[in-house]
Amino acid sequence: QSALTQPPSASGSPGQSVTISCTGTSSDVGGYNYVSWYQQHPGKAPKLMIYEVSKRPSGVPDRFSGSKSGNTASLTVSGLQAEDEADYYCSSYAGSNTFRLFGGGTKLTVL
Amino acid sequence: QVTLRESGPVLVKPTETLTLTCTVSGFSLSNARMGVSWIRQPPGKALEWLAHIFSNDEKSYSTSLKSRLTISKDTSKSQVVLIMTNMDPVDTATYYCARIGLGMAFNIWGQGTMVTVSS
Repeated sequence: QSALTQPPSASGSPGQSVTISCTGTSSDVGGYNYVSWYQQHPGKAPKLMIYEVSKRPSGVPDRFSGSKSGNTASLTVSGLQAEDEADYYCSSYAGSNTFRLFGGGTKLTVL
Repeated sequence: QVTLRESGPVLVKPTETLTLTCTVSGFSLSNARMGVSWIRQPPGKALEWLAHIFSNDEKSYSTSLKSRLTISKDTSKSQVVLIMTNMDPVDTATYYCARIGLGMAFNIWGQGTMVTVSS
């Protein structure tokens, strides 16, 4: 099964908001509310930012929010800060056979 | 504190078999609803999910790599092992283990171990 589709890049100025999309199918993103988002800084392991489409783990700033419509999930980063510059990956549960899919990643640049 | 730590060879030759170990602490591999996945990331490329093992020993594999992968766990040693056969240079990547937590998300990751496949 193909990876989820993300734009390769996104950018915004400090203080602005940026939204990153993640498009799948009815067999993954559209079929389950198990979409999660990960932030990865260079040379570091990914960090969970959003789970179950829109929930934030403890310690993740509320500037990060998630949503889903149909087969597309979205991550919005509000009030952009320099430290938000990183790669962002979405992931979805895809049923008991395929289990997990990742997106191709989006490089977020803070201008 | 929950931690995961990957270990294994830094360099393997083409056609060889790779064995990676994920040693966990701060939780038990026998806990209900817990599970550990292996995920890899080639240099400069995206994350790719490889395999998962649940607390009840149920396993799941990437469709494209299923024939080459075996995942297992030793609860007494707090270890999850991934075996990948017939290694190829395209398998060069950082290999991570990660724990499934809330909402089927990978909430805790190891630091990753870089594996290079080269003769």
